[in-house]
Amino acid sequence: AQTVTQSQPEMSVQEAETVTLSCTYDTSESNYYLFWYKQPPSRQMILVIRQEAYKQQNATENRFSVNFQKAAKSFSLKISDSQLGDTAMYFCAFPGYALNFGKGTSLLVTP
Amino acid sequence: DAGVTQSPTHLIKTRGQQVTLRCSPKSGHDTVSWYQQALGQGPQFIFQYYEEEERQRGNFPDRFSGHQFPNYSSELNVNALLLGDSALYLCASSVTSGGHEPTDTQYFGPGTRLTVL
Repeated sequence: AQTVTQSQPEMSVQEAETVTLSCTYDTSESNYYLFWYKQPPSRQMILVIRQEAYKQQNATENRFSVNFQKAAKSFSLKISDSQLGDTAMYFCAFPGYALNFGKGTSLLVTP
Repeated sequence: DAGVTQSPTHLIKTRGQQVTLRCSPKSGHDTVSWYQQALGQGPQFIFQYYEEEERQRGNFPDRFSGHQFPNYSSELNVNALLLGDSALYLCASSVTSGGHEPTDTQYFGPGTRLTVL
């Protein structure tokens, strides 16, 4: 069974600073996808970024990028130039038939 | 292009009652998954529908059942409601390629907040 671990329940960062959210996972598969989702107080789960395991290049979406270490089974999310609107719960997810979610990291961006 | 929609937004029921939640997938998507998210937790997979059949099921009792219609929309039914069923219910849609295990991104609806009193 695939497991996803997010070891940081809460984090805080000042506006315009950079923050990194950690995620580790466990799988016996060799080819897979990994996702980061954002859930603001409005509760809508929004896809932030997706990484395909067979691609060595780390995915980037504007201010969001990942550090994917396949051998270490690590998939961290870096948010650059943090904005107040980035305040949300962030979930790392590993798909199979269903998405297996971590417990989430609550990120607070302060002025 | 409309995204995933869910109805109703909020629902209040009492113990023992039955509830039906509805989901319309994103245009072009044929697979619908349902998740339960308790307060402060990550979503937990309930089941997934493809080609009008339940394809995969998580660790939820038979009180949770579903249906998928020919237009790919879906319903989640919960019978004999318990206080512990109070949660945010999320629907996600995706595309299944060639009938194999889906690996494409799942897009989520805004959720239905169910409160059981």
